Amino acid sequence: KNQVEQSPQSLIILEGKNCTLQCNYTVSPFSNLRWYKQDTGRGPVSLTIMTFSENTKSNGRYTATLDADTKQSSLHITASQLSDSASYICVVSKAAGNKLTFGGGTRVLVKP
Amino acid sequence: DAGVIQSPRHEVTEMGQEVTLRCKPISGHNSLFWYRQTMMRGLELLIYFNNNVPIDDSGMPEDRFSAKMPNASFSTLKIQPSEPRDSAVYFCASSFGVHPYEQYFGPGTRLTVT
Repeated sequence: KNQVEQSPQSLIILEGKNCTLQCNYTVSPFSNLRWYKQDTGRGPVSLTIMTFSENTKSNGRYTATLDADTKQSSLHITASQLSDSASYICVVSKAAGNKLTFGGGTRVLVKP
Repeated sequence: DAGVIQSPRHEVTEMGQEVTLRCKPISGHNSLFWYRQTMMRGLELLIYFNNNVPIDDSGMPEDRFSAKMPNASFSTLKIQPSEPRDSAVYFCASSFGVHPYEQYFGPGTRLTVT
């Protein structure tokens, strides 16, 4: 069983609307959680990194939340744009190390 | 900065052939990672180096896969012999120090083994 589960697997939203992606993890001991954006045919690009003590972090129209007690995170996209069409990957890092555990990603399609 | 550089960007080869993927990390970064991405399994860590030394290769699928980092600015991932199930996108990423170790990914190499 994957230690990082994301939902939904995919979603379609209209340009200008908001959406929220979910991530549940069981990775332990926890160090930090990252959200990556991956455009088609490109490598992942980091959006946010949150450590245990942080429960929210924003990067422009992207806002990530973290509840380390329930081991849940969300990524909220505000006022979506066509360029937001991509896969969004939740990644959790174990304490004391560089090793990352990746979720399966949520594929977002923004339609005009 | 040019970012992480990978070559080739696309590789098509026949089963049984040797394949070598190349990576140049961001200058000054001291950790380098090789990942594989497929539709079925998503992104998986194959191996990572710190200061040119392999630290964790537990993700390397089998002996057909090998990776080297002869110096701080170059790494290779070799598959010999290649098989159709090796078809995937292979990413290289690099990072430098300070926790929580932001990783920067290259554009990837799309490998197709026929």
